[in-house]
Amino acid sequence: AQSVTQLDSQVPVFEEAPVELRCNYSSSVSVYLFWYVQYPNQGLQLLLKYLSGSTLVKGINGFEAEFNKSQTSFHLRKPSVHISDTAEYFCVAKNTGFQKLVFGTGTRLLVSP
Amino acid sequence: DVKVTQSSRYLVKRTGEKVFLECVQDMDHENMFWYRQDPGLGLRLIYFSYDVKMKEKGDIPEGYSVSREKKERFSLILESASTNQTSMYLCASSLSELYEQYFGPGTRLTVT
Repeated sequence: AQSVTQLDSQVPVFEEAPVELRCNYSSSVSVYLFWYVQYPNQGLQLLLKYLSGSTLVKGINGFEAEFNKSQTSFHLRKPSVHISDTAEYFCVAKNTGFQKLVFGTGTRLLVSP
Repeated sequence: DVKVTQSSRYLVKRTGEKVFLECVQDMDHENMFWYRQDPGLGLRLIYFSYDVKMKEKGDIPEGYSVSREKKERFSLILESASTNQTSMYLCASSLSELYEQYFGPGTRLTVT
């Protein structure tokens, strides 16, 4: 069964610094991958998705992620973070042909001035 | 824009009460989902529905039931609420399995 691991439960970073949030998934057989963001007291919003094609995926708010099949990773990056990026980020996987999403446990990004 | 709305943002219920959580989407999506979110556990799927009157169990269906009488509405029912069902409940919908899920704002349920 598919599983998703986000090793970092919390990542503190200063404003304008680069950030990488790590994500590993268990099975790369026909997998779709997503990053969602949850701002305080809100639902989840899609940041970006990988379905097929180019392994570098660009999303909203300046975020991007790279699908690495050999390392079964889908790390999220941003070259320069803002205070407003403070939120919880979820890496999500879905095997093709199945409806169910498999969520990581989330990484809380804390951006300070 | 897709809009998924949930009937309440905050709800406080007593142990043993029957609780209804309502979710409505306005984009004619086929699929709808109910999750609960707990700290350190991420989101866990309770039930989902791929068509009116159709439902499938998710990973943690025990203590819950669902109803989908109309395409746009998906209800989560706690037959007899218990304190371990205190959680954030999130509803989502998607057009099909190829498309991302859109989430509502969540209902924070406290059972005392």
